Amino acid sequence: EVQLQQSGPELVKPGASVKISCKTSGYTFTEYTMHWVKQSHGKSLEWIGGINPNNGGTSYNQKFKGKATLTVDKSSSTAYMELRSLTSEDSAVYYCARTGTGAWFAYWGQGTLVTVSA
Amino acid sequence: DIQMTQSSSSFSVSLGDRVTITCKASEDIYNRLAWYQQKPGNAPRLLISGATSLETGVPSRFSGSGSGKDYTLSITSLQTEDVATYYCQQYWSTWTFGGGTKLEIK
Repeated sequence: EVQLQQSGPELVKPGASVKISCKTSGYTFTEYTMHWVKQSHGKSLEWIGGINPNNGGTSYNQKFKGKATLTVDKSSSTAYMELRSLTSEDSAVYYCARTGTGAWFAYWGQGTLVTVSA
Repeated sequence: DIQMTQSSSSFSVSLGDRVTITCKASEDIYNRLAWYQQKPGNAPRLLISGATSLETGVPSRFSGSGSGKDYTLSITSLQTEDVATYYCQQYWSTWTFGGGTKLEIK
């Protein structure tokens, strides 16, 4: 069974950084691209970017370039997203999502709530 | 960037109704269209990929259609468990989601 287990909620101060993890199991980690999606409270979904775990190649939504950095640790089958220079606009639930046999998002993590507050 | 527009942000329906949710892309996306269902507090769930392919385990009352720029998600005989927000997503050129359509019971 494919599982994506994300790290717990974060409360961070404005200007700080946060790193969220997405630990995977049930499949070969390097065979599928991992994406990250933002959902602000009561709002729609925004694609942040994706990473190829096999070679570390990344693709970002222009809006999140400089804000988000995607990495992976193949040894632990875990994907990471670091968000920096946080403001209240970054308060949201962040999801990791794995592609299926095509480019759609077949599997999702449970989400990580990031709250930016002094 | 390709924009995805769901014309209705919400509407009220009755149990047993047939529901149609529409999604329009700003350019041709060649059936690279997925539909997701999201219930409060939960992650989105993939329902349909490739505009028409139902995911394993999704009830057959769900179906997708469309081509070019215009796509539709249909639910025949709405059940209580179908009350949720539905999002379309294009994956022809990077990835973009629609604004969502929330179904509520009358």
